[in-house]
Amino acid sequence: QQQVKQSPQSLIVQKGGISIINCAYENTAFDYFPWYQQFPGKGPALLIAIRPDVSEKKEGRFTISFNKSAKQFSLHIMDSQPGDSATYFCAASMLAGANNLFFGTGTRLTVIP
Amino acid sequence: NAGVTQTPKFRVLKTGQSMTLLCAQDMNHEYMYWYRQDPGMGLRLIHYSVGEGTTAKGEVPDGYNVSRLKKQNFLLGLESAAPSQTSVYFCASRSLAGGRNEQFFGPGTRLTVL
Repeated sequence: QQQVKQSPQSLIVQKGGISIINCAYENTAFDYFPWYQQFPGKGPALLIAIRPDVSEKKEGRFTISFNKSAKQFSLHIMDSQPGDSATYFCAASMLAGANNLFFGTGTRLTVIP
Repeated sequence: NAGVTQTPKFRVLKTGQSMTLLCAQDMNHEYMYWYRQDPGMGLRLIHYSVGEGTTAKGEVPDGYNVSRLKKQNFLLGLESAAPSQTSVYFCASRSLAGGRNEQFFGPGTRLTVL
């Protein structure tokens, strides 16, 4: 059973546009929600993360929006660039203990010039 | 710093063969993890370790064993490989120190079981 559900599976955006990827979770014990970025042939790398005590976190062109009551969070990429073309994974974990990550199924983003 | 390295990068096995994947990290991290990545499934945790000499099961541990004899190394073993274990395997490590709670991933090992 997938603990974190992610959509869409793939996304095509024009350069300069906004990319939006959505995730939902069921386990209310999760208290850490990171997004990882993966380029072909590479391992995932942490992009941005949020704790449930805030509703939004912004780092440069990347923003996480978090809705605790709906158990949903999303990644917004503003002014999308061809270099942002990658697969994006949302994840969730409980910080207490080993912080094991439960990943979504991934979104392949393509930004066309 | 090399970060997290994985050996080998590619491997082809026949059903029933055994092999060991090696993960090494030079960041003095306490936690280490093994994931498998399959199309449409994301990454799923196989086993993890919270310190030298300790290991624990993740989401999909069946058919795998692990060992962490040294803090910097985490080994993943397949005793009798099956086609269902064809996947890309990623190792990751994380520091106990607070902050970003970031897991650092290796470049992956692509394993094919025929």
